[in-house]
Amino acid sequence: QQPVQSPQAVILREGEDAVINCSSSKALYSVHWYRQKHGEAPVFLMILLKGGEQKGHEKISASFNEKKQQSSLYLTASQLSYSGTYFCGTESASRLTFGEGTQLTVNP
Amino acid sequence: KAGVTQTPRYLIKTRGQQVTLSCSPISGHRSVSWYQQTPGQGLQFLFEYFSETQRNKGNFPGRFSGRQFSNSRSEMNVSTLELGDSALYLCASSSSTVTYGYTFGSGTRLTVV
Repeated sequence: QQPVQSPQAVILREGEDAVINCSSSKALYSVHWYRQKHGEAPVFLMILLKGGEQKGHEKISASFNEKKQQSSLYLTASQLSYSGTYFCGTESASRLTFGEGTQLTVNP
Repeated sequence: KAGVTQTPRYLIKTRGQQVTLSCSPISGHRSVSWYQQTPGQGLQFLFEYFSETQRNKGNFPGRFSGRQFSNSRSEMNVSTLELGDSALYLCASSSSTVTYGYTFGSGTRLTVV
């Protein structure tokens, strides 16, 4: 089952904050977050593991609510380089299933 | 260290033909996953291989197949190409535990005409 991301798109001015949400109908072991810039491959940002452990990006934070099967990605003081499409991925049985993505645009 | 290498980068094929795409994972990574990316469908899981064994398969027709070699390099094959197979095909490698995320290759852009 594909996780659901919201919002589908967001436009920010440089320096503003954003939150991207990801929810699943299945019990989650871990949640991955990736960013893909136009014409490039997705790049790993962060993984959140059941039990609270996080591994990943220094400047981007995320939360993982195991009971609600939800994760949120927090982008603070956004920079122009943050623009791109953000995907969450939920892992089950050696399979990473991605949401449809959230398109983030940061303008000067 | 070298990243994930996919070849070729671009490919144009005629409907009905078959195609083979190649993926060389990061050295030491034993898991390789394949995804199809299209504007309307996002990233769709094709299959995952670990130590030459397919561990999981997505909801794609049997025309899509893959394999993994003893050096962890992987290939995917699409037979009897259809126009709808036009997409960016991405492979991703990970260590045995995935706790450090997937590393994606740059992809192969397949166009079926």
